[in-house]
Amino acid sequence: DQQVKQNSPSLSVQEGRISILNCDYTNSMFDYFLWYKKYPAEGPTFLISISSIKDKNEDGRFTVFLNKSAKHLSLHIVPSQPGDSAVYFCAASAAASGSRLTFGEGTQLTVNP
Amino acid sequence: EADIYQTPRYLVIGTGKKITLECSQTMGHDKMYWYQQDPGMELHLIHYSYGVNSTEKGDLSSESTVSRIRTEHFPLTLESARPSHTSQYLCASSDFRSSGANVLTFGAGSRLTVL
Repeated sequence: DQQVKQNSPSLSVQEGRISILNCDYTNSMFDYFLWYKKYPAEGPTFLISISSIKDKNEDGRFTVFLNKSAKHLSLHIVPSQPGDSAVYFCAASAAASGSRLTFGEGTQLTVNP
Repeated sequence: EADIYQTPRYLVIGTGKKITLECSQTMGHDKMYWYQQDPGMELHLIHYSYGVNSTEKGDLSSESTVSRIRTEHFPLTLESARPSHTSQYLCASSDFRSSGANVLTFGAGSRLTVL
């Protein structure tokens, strides 16, 4: 059973507009959530994380929102830039499982100039 | 700056060959991981290690094996490669203790193709 799901395989936005990437999870034991970005032929790089005791965390153009009751989180990128075009992975961890990361399938974001 | 290195980056081999994917990190991290990823799919944890002489199987069953003789080195070996092993293999490390987010640093990956 897949505990972290990203239901949108792809998203296309215009430069300067907002990009919203979504992620759903099923395991209520998850206590941290992370977003990674991956360019082709490179490994994933860490973007931002949020603790389950918070509902928002912001870092520059990137903001992550967590809705625990809905088991849903989203990553907002404002304003979007062409260099943001990449695959974005949502990941979650639970202290009870040694805090190992469980990943979603990824969403390909394309930002058009 | 990436401080975790994977070699080879790309490998094409025939069925039945033995292969070793190398992973080294210079950050002194205790914890290291191997993930397997196919296009459009999630990363699957296949092996992890919390320190020297410690290795565990991950969530996805894998015919590969790993070793952790030195802190900085975590190689993955396939004794007899098959076409079903064709995938991208990602190595990662972290210095996670017991609180906060477990932020992994990934290598660039090794893309394996078995003919």
